Order: sequence, then structure tokens, then C-alpha cells
Amino acid sequence: AQSVTQPDIHITVSEGASLELRCNYSYGATPYLFWYVQSPGQGLQLLLKYFSGDTLVQGIKGFEAEFKRSQSSFNLRKPSVHWSDAAEYFCAVAGGGNKLTFGTGTQLKVEL
Amino acid sequence: DAMVIQNPRYQVTQFGKPVTLSCSQTLNHNVMYWYQQKSSQAPKLLFHYYDKDFNNEADTPDNFQSRRPNTSFCFLDIRSPGLGDAAMYLCATSRDVGQPQHFGDGTRLSIL
Repeated sequence: AQSVTQPDIHITVSEGASLELRCNYSYGATPYLFWYVQSPGQGLQLLLKYFSGDTLVQGIKGFEAEFKRSQSSFNLRKPSVHWSDAAEYFCAVAGGGNKLTFGTGTQLKVEL
Repeated sequence: DAMVIQNPRYQVTQFGKPVTLSCSQTLNHNVMYWYQQKSSQAPKLLFHYYDKDFNNEADTPDNFQSRRPNTSFCFLDIRSPGLGDAAMYLCATSRDVGQPQHFGDGTRLSIL
């Protein structure tokens, strides 16, 4: 069975500071990994994905994530956070067909 | 722009009164999904269609049904809504197995 853990429920950062959101996954084979962002009252928007190849993937809005197989992690990073980045972030893993398993999410608050 | 459109954005129904939520896509994707998302929780997959093949999640209540009359449209029917069914319902599509999912903005369902 596949699973995703996002250990941080809430994170607060100052605008302009760097950000790292943690994600650990469990899956027997090489997973497909995703990060989604959800603003209040909206659907989920895909930030980036990892299928194979280069373990550092670039996404939209200046985000990147690094796949580390040895640590079963896929952490999301951004060098300088903007106030508009405040939202909920979901890590997800896909395996065994097209079923996506989401983590419980990390709520990001940005202080001005 | 190609997209996933959910109507209505907000739906209010009475306890026990059947309700239908609709989703349409212009992406021509093979797979369409319905998720239930309650406040501060991750989306929970209810079922999905791969083309015309319906795939129900094991823990989806019988109260929830779905129809996909053609590639573009998919409906979620709740036969007898209970108070516990109040949630955001998200529709998503993907081109194929394991591919990134594209989400609509959701329908927020309230039960009186």
C-alpha cells in the first residue's frame, strides 16, 4: 500500500524567507510524486511532479522539489516566499494504477 | 483555456433530498475522478472512470453514485444526503494512468 506523510500541519514563515515543506512517502517501487497547492475555496493546482530522471524538479511559481530515494522523501522548497504563497500544500504519491494518495497537507502562513 | 469546470460552485440541499453535482472537461482526458474533501483534510477519492469503466473505492458509501455519459461530462449523485456529506467535492481529470491530475474549483455542498 502507498502512503504519504506530511509531518508539519502548520508552518509560518516571513515574506522573503526560504521555505521547505517536508514529505515522506511509502511505496514499494519507484513512485510518481506530486506537489499540489490549494488556495481557500479553490481546487488543487499542480506545482510540480517527479516521474523519473533528474531528482531535482522545477515547478511553477518558483518552487522546486528534490526526490531522495534513500530517505523516501520529496521535499518542496522555495528560496524566497511571497505573501501570495500562503495556502495549503499537499504532497501526493501515485502507484498501482492511477490512484493518487494525498498527505494530510501543510498549511502555510506568510507573515509580512 | 482547456480546463475542468464544476457546477455549481455552491450547492445547498435538504437532508435526504437527492442532489447532483456536475463536472465537465475540455482536456479530452480519459480519466475522471470525484473526491470528497472535508475541512482541513486531504481529498478523499470516491471513485473514478477510466473511459467508460467505473471504479469505486471500497469505502465509498452506496449513497454516492456517478455517471459519465460521454468523455466530457461526469456527474456525482448523492441519493439521500446526510449532514455528514457536507463537504467540498472536487472533480479531476488525467490523460492516463499515473499522469498528473487537473482539478476543478470544486462544489461546496451544504446540507440543511
